[in-house]
Amino acid sequence: DAGITQSPRHKVTETGTPVTLRCHQTENHRYMYWYRQDPGHGLRLIHYSYGVKDTDKGEVSDGYSVSRSKTEDFLLTLESATSSQTSVYFCAISEWASGGSSYNEQFFGPGTRLTVL
Amino acid sequence: LAKTTQPISMDSYEGQEVNITCSHNNIATNDYITWYQQFPSQGPRFIIQGYKTKVTNEVASLFIPADRKSSTLSLPRVSLSDTAVYYCLVGLRSNDYKLSFGAGTTVTVRA
Repeated sequence: DAGITQSPRHKVTETGTPVTLRCHQTENHRYMYWYRQDPGHGLRLIHYSYGVKDTDKGEVSDGYSVSRSKTEDFLLTLESATSSQTSVYFCAISEWASGGSSYNEQFFGPGTRLTVL
Repeated sequence: LAKTTQPISMDSYEGQEVNITCSHNNIATNDYITWYQQFPSQGPRFIIQGYKTKVTNEVASLFIPADRKSSTLSLPRVSLSDTAVYYCLVGLRSNDYKLSFGAGTTVTVRA
């Protein structure tokens, strides 16, 4: 399995508190992603990173910020958590497929279950 | 990005073949078709990818007709452990970071 860890694995917090989720990889992959998964919605991309300090928004980025100061770490921050952010959060990594010669398969972490009361 | 449509759920029994069809009418010329599998309480994992005709690996087969407007994932002789959600994704092979996984197809295999 790809070396991806997420911390914490479970967290319960209260509305209005800041929360930071960490994704750590040992594969030295260039791309890192944060998804959320909710019943009936599949996985939705929140933010992704294409290099150190290079990030961009996904389809559901409102209320979330990210940072990537090192290749191996990608942090997701909820500045002021709301109940609508209760979800399972997955981190994923992939490498650049140069010239289309290989598929940059995404490898997923184990997930973090966040509950906002 | 090409939009995909797949059934919400499918039921099967052990030993049967399961075929999941995904519609992607606006697939672009350079788009590839990729399937992921997600077991309960785990992240998705890549199972197969194709561009046209047929692709087979140790897990599944992928059938893509000439017009490429749909594709069928075939799981031969399923077992209880194949119970999972299966996602069909369509996009460029080397730029899939913007792909949407959608809701997927929940396949339930019964004894």
